[in-house]
Amino acid sequence: GIQVEQSPPDLILQEGANSTLRCNFSDSVNNLQWFHQNPWGQLINLFYIPSGTKQNGRLSATTVATERYSLLYISSSQTTDSGVYFCAVDNFGNEKLTFGTGTRLTIIP
Amino acid sequence: DGGITQSPKYLFRKEGQNVTLSCEQNLNHDAMYWYRQDPGQGLRLIYYSQIVNDFQKGDIAEGYSVSREKKESFPLTVTSAQKNPTAFYLCASKLQGAETQYFGPGTRLLVL
Repeated sequence: GIQVEQSPPDLILQEGANSTLRCNFSDSVNNLQWFHQNPWGQLINLFYIPSGTKQNGRLSATTVATERYSLLYISSSQTTDSGVYFCAVDNFGNEKLTFGTGTRLTIIP
Repeated sequence: DGGITQSPKYLFRKEGQNVTLSCEQNLNHDAMYWYRQDPGQGLRLIYYSQIVNDFQKGDIAEGYSVSREKKESFPLTVTSAQKNPTAFYLCASKLQGAETQYFGPGTRLLVL
C-alpha cells in the first residue's frame, strides 16, 4: 500500500515563530488532508489539498502532486497550535485514508 | 448539536472479555470508520462501512467486529481474540463523495 512519511517527528518552537511540516507519499493520490490532533485527542480537519495551495488564517498548505509531497505552514505560532499534525492520503478513490505517523508540535510561551 | 459522539470516554477490559465501543452520528453521513491509535503513532483503519448493512475490513481487523444496522450507529466490539487492545479508538463519518471525514472525541481502552 501507499507509504506516508512526515517530518520532523517532533518540533519545539517559541511562541511567534513560523514552522513548516512536510508530508511525503509514495504514490499518486486523489485525496490528501491535513489534520490537527489536540492534547485531548480530538482530530480536526485543517485542509483538503490533493494539489495546489490553500490558506486559512495563519495556516497554509501546498501540495506538489507530481513530486509527491505536501507542506503545512504555520505562521506566528500560538500555544493553542500545540498538538500532533497528521497528513492522510487516499490513492484508490475508495474513500479510505492512510495516515502518516505525525509531527508533534510544542509551542512554548 | 450535530456531531459524532463516542462512549464511553474510558473503558477497562478484563482478560478474556469482549467490550463494545459506541459511535453515533446525527450528521446524516453515509460512511463511518473505526481507527486505532497507539502512542506516538498514526491512525490505522480497523473497519469501515459505506452503507447500512455493509462493512469492509480495514488494515487491522483481526480481533474486532462491527455492525451497521442503522445509518447513525456503528458500534465496534473488541473481542478476546484481540491480544493487545490497549489503545485510543477513534470513530469518523463522512458524507459519500465529500472531501473530509469528521472525527468523534475517542475512547481510551485499557486492559486490567
